[in-house]
Amino acid sequence: ETGVTQTPRHLVMGMTNKKSLKCEQHLGHNAMYWYKQSAKKPLELMFVYNFKEQTENNSVPSRFSPECPNSSHLFLHLHTLQPEDSALYLCASSQDWGGASNQPQHFGDGTRLSIL
Amino acid sequence: AQSVTQLDSHVSVSEGTPVLLRCNYSSSYSPSLFWYVQHPNKGLQLLLKYTSAATLVKGINGFEAEFKKSETSFHLTKPSAHMSDAAEYFCVVSARYGQNFVFGPGTRLSVLP
Repeated sequence: ETGVTQTPRHLVMGMTNKKSLKCEQHLGHNAMYWYKQSAKKPLELMFVYNFKEQTENNSVPSRFSPECPNSSHLFLHLHTLQPEDSALYLCASSQDWGGASNQPQHFGDGTRLSIL
Repeated sequence: AQSVTQLDSHVSVSEGTPVLLRCNYSSSYSPSLFWYVQHPNKGLQLLLKYTSAATLVKGINGFEAEFKKSETSFHLTKPSAHMSDAAEYFCVVSARYGQNFVFGPGTRLSVLP
C-alpha cells in the first residue's frame, strides 16, 4: 500500500545527532499518528494530530518533537536520543480521529531507527 | 474504556491446515473492529474490518472473521494456511470519535512446511 509514505526507511544516528522522520499521506485523511514498535513490546502510541492540532502526547520524552504543518505531512524531530530509542517508528493516518467514521488506520512501512 | 485481548502470543500451524487467531474485546460502545497483518520490517496492512454490517467479514488473502457480540469476540480464520501467511497479526478496536484505536498485543503466526 502506498497511501502513507515514510522516509527514510532506515536511519542510523549517534546519540548527539539531530535528525527528522517524515510521513506523508495522500488519502485526504484528517488524523495522523506516530507509533513506536520495539522488539517484544506492544505497539506504543506516541502522538496524535487531528486537523493539524496535537490531541495526544502519550508521555513521550521531549527528545522526540512532532510537527504537523498540514493534514498531509507529519514529522518527528529527533535529538540526543538514547539507545533504548532504537525501534521501528510507524506513521498512520485515518479519516477521523479514533475511527468515528468506521474507517481504519492506514500505515506506512516505518523507519527503522538505530541509535549508536 | 476499551481493551483488546489476543489469547495466543504465538500460533504454529502446518501449511494447508486451518488458521484460528483469537481476539476478544471490551467496549462501552458499539465497536468497529479490525485485523491487521505485519510482515517483518513492514507496516501494518489491513486484512479486514467489521463496522456493524454483516457479522461475517471477508478480507484479503482468504481470511475472514466473525463478530460475536454475545462472546465479545472477533476471531480471525483461514481455511488453509500458506507459507506467506507467516507474520504478526493485530486485532484492533475503535469505538468513537476522540478515542484512540486500541491494539491487541499481537499474535505471531508460524507456518510449517
